[in-house]
Amino acid sequence: DQQVKQNSPSLSVQEGRISILNCDYTNSMFDYFLWYKKYPAEGPTFLISISSIKDKNEDGRFTVFLNKSAKHLSLHIVPSQPGDSAVYFCAASPSGTYKYIFGTGTRLKVLA
Amino acid sequence: GAVVSQHPSRVICKSGTSVKIECRSLDFQATTMFWYRQFPKQSLMLMATSNEGSKATYEQGVEKDKFLINHASLTLSTLTVTSAHPEDSSFYICSARDSKGVGDQPQHFGDGTRLSIL
Repeated sequence: DQQVKQNSPSLSVQEGRISILNCDYTNSMFDYFLWYKKYPAEGPTFLISISSIKDKNEDGRFTVFLNKSAKHLSLHIVPSQPGDSAVYFCAASPSGTYKYIFGTGTRLKVLA
Repeated sequence: GAVVSQHPSRVICKSGTSVKIECRSLDFQATTMFWYRQFPKQSLMLMATSNEGSKATYEQGVEKDKFLINHASLTLSTLTVTSAHPEDSSFYICSARDSKGVGDQPQHFGDGTRLSIL
């Protein structure tokens, strides 16, 4: 039972354009959501997070949107850069815990 | 800041060997650390929550006698894969949460350990 899903295994975007990565979840008890970036043979690097009391959080080129009614969150990267090419994982944390449930990841390739 | 060091980065050993993996928070204290496992092209699966000074909490289906966790200090947790077999081959990653953080805080991850059992 995959509680956090990233339905697109891969995404290619031209440099300078917007990258939109999507994530869906099923558990309404999740109240904290995060995006991590991962390069091969390295651990995930924290990008941005959002609490369930918000619907948008922005940090530089990265913006995370949360739609609680649809149980959907997305990460927008604009403008996309070749160095953004990596695997992106969304994660969700159930209320009252520090545990994370990860999605299966989306491989982003930004073309120069 | 918020650096987590994991060692070793790669281990290759014979079946039946026990392997210890260390996870250290270098510039913050972590009363809670986490151990994950990742199979190729799959998600990170939480194995257990490591609690400083007390027993680890294991996720359903994870054998606590197989994966021994010790969290003896505020900056170090260890995972020992006992009597490892080929099916234990995987990528193991630890993460840590800053104990002094208030409210929602992201976990910071180590670079993982690639374990290969022959």
